[in-house]
Amino acid sequence: QSALTQPPSASGSPGQSVTISCTGTSTDVGDSKYVSWYQQYPGKAPKLMIFGVNKRPSGVPDRFSGSKSGNTASLTVSGLQAEDEADYYCCSYGGRANWVFGGGTKLTVL
Amino acid sequence: VQLVESGGGVVQPGRSLRLSCAASGFSITTFAMNWVRQAPGKGLEWVAVVSHDGRLIYYADSVKGRFTISRDNSKNTLYLQMNGLRAEDTAVYYCARENYFVSGTYSLGAYDMWGQGTMVTVSA
Repeated sequence: QSALTQPPSASGSPGQSVTISCTGTSTDVGDSKYVSWYQQYPGKAPKLMIFGVNKRPSGVPDRFSGSKSGNTASLTVSGLQAEDEADYYCCSYGGRANWVFGGGTKLTVL
Repeated sequence: VQLVESGGGVVQPGRSLRLSCAASGFSITTFAMNWVRQAPGKGLEWVAVVSHDGRLIYYADSVKGRFTISRDNSKNTLYLQMNGLRAEDTAVYYCARENYFVSGTYSLGAYDMWGQGTMVTVSA
């Protein structure tokens, strides 16, 4: 099972919006209702930000939103803030009882 | 409410290591539990999952036949037995709780709680 494809980096200025893509295939992202996104600060454990493609756990700001079109899922961060600077990983059910993560995107707030 | 991993360390190729993940503040009885690893400077990689009752177990192809995930609900603890370790198994190993009902909404693959990780280094 190959890792999902994410851009290595993304950036935006405070207050702007940025979208991070996560591209898979018709057997994982394209066929899954279960895409999640995680935020990770250096040296820390990941944190769940989005699950079920577009659902937000309580406590996660509504500036974070998820969507999916075909084989590509996306995480959008609106109204960028300095504390949003982190690594972001997507994850999808990959079929055959396997789960697959993306390679990660480093988000920089300029 | 937390997960705490232990058991990591430096081990020679071909040797074995057993990781533990102790839960506190909640019971793991109703949750599927996963291991996810992260090689130095690399991304996350799902390793294995065990259902809440231990009956269903699945592995990533990269560890199948070498790693064994298990749980002891009476001890509120998750385990990962790693045999035949290779250099490419070097990583921080996280245990992660899979919550089917995050904020009241059903979903699979929502890892809503993670431990701090334990480092495993495979080197001669």
